[in-house]
Amino acid sequence: EAGVAQSPRYKIIEKRQSVAFWCNPISGHATLYWYQQILGQGPKLLIQFQNNGVVDDSQLPKDRFSAERLKGVDSTLKIQPAKLEDSAVYLCASSLMAGPYEQYFGPGTRLTVT
Amino acid sequence: SQQGEEDPQALSIQEGENATMNCSYKTSINNLQWYRQNSGRGLVHLILIRSNEREKHSGRLRVTLDTSKKSSSLLITASRAADTASYFCATVLGNQFYFGTGTSLTVIP
Repeated sequence: EAGVAQSPRYKIIEKRQSVAFWCNPISGHATLYWYQQILGQGPKLLIQFQNNGVVDDSQLPKDRFSAERLKGVDSTLKIQPAKLEDSAVYLCASSLMAGPYEQYFGPGTRLTVT
Repeated sequence: SQQGEEDPQALSIQEGENATMNCSYKTSINNLQWYRQNSGRGLVHLILIRSNEREKHSGRLRVTLDTSKKSSSLLITASRAADTASYFCATVLGNQFYFGTGTSLTVIP
């Protein structure tokens, strides 16, 4: 079974630039999550999708962050414009369905904003 | 905040010793899950314990849950150098996942 794929693995941008991350979840997984993990901290949920609908985006900074999951499979997370404090690892995870089930994580994208 | 907090923040032990890390949380849960994260990698699910369970085992892992104290512990027995990683608890209520701050475990060969 192929795992959760993410790209790119690393990205360096200057503040005020834009950036996009891509995630391909495990085949058949209806639920997809984007997390932000700042160095030394635990992952913080940004947005959760069930198929192509948003379940929870309460912690997504909507003035600069956006995410979509077209056709209920792949997802992209965008930041525009980036700030220094956005430097973090962005993790994508998927699970079979929404609810208290285990999540499968991708390797993450490490973003550095200079 | 629902977020769990692990302690200790960092733990260093010799290979073969047992490692215990704790997680405390603040509100009700459906279940509590433990994940491992190797440096530069994503998280890997280790074990899930439901709110009506008190103890669960998986290989060298033993998890306990005390809902009255809102705390959980993860015991890794006979540690190996490959167990070196960060360990996170995640408290789950409905669709909500909250990850703790993590314990960094170093196992010295």
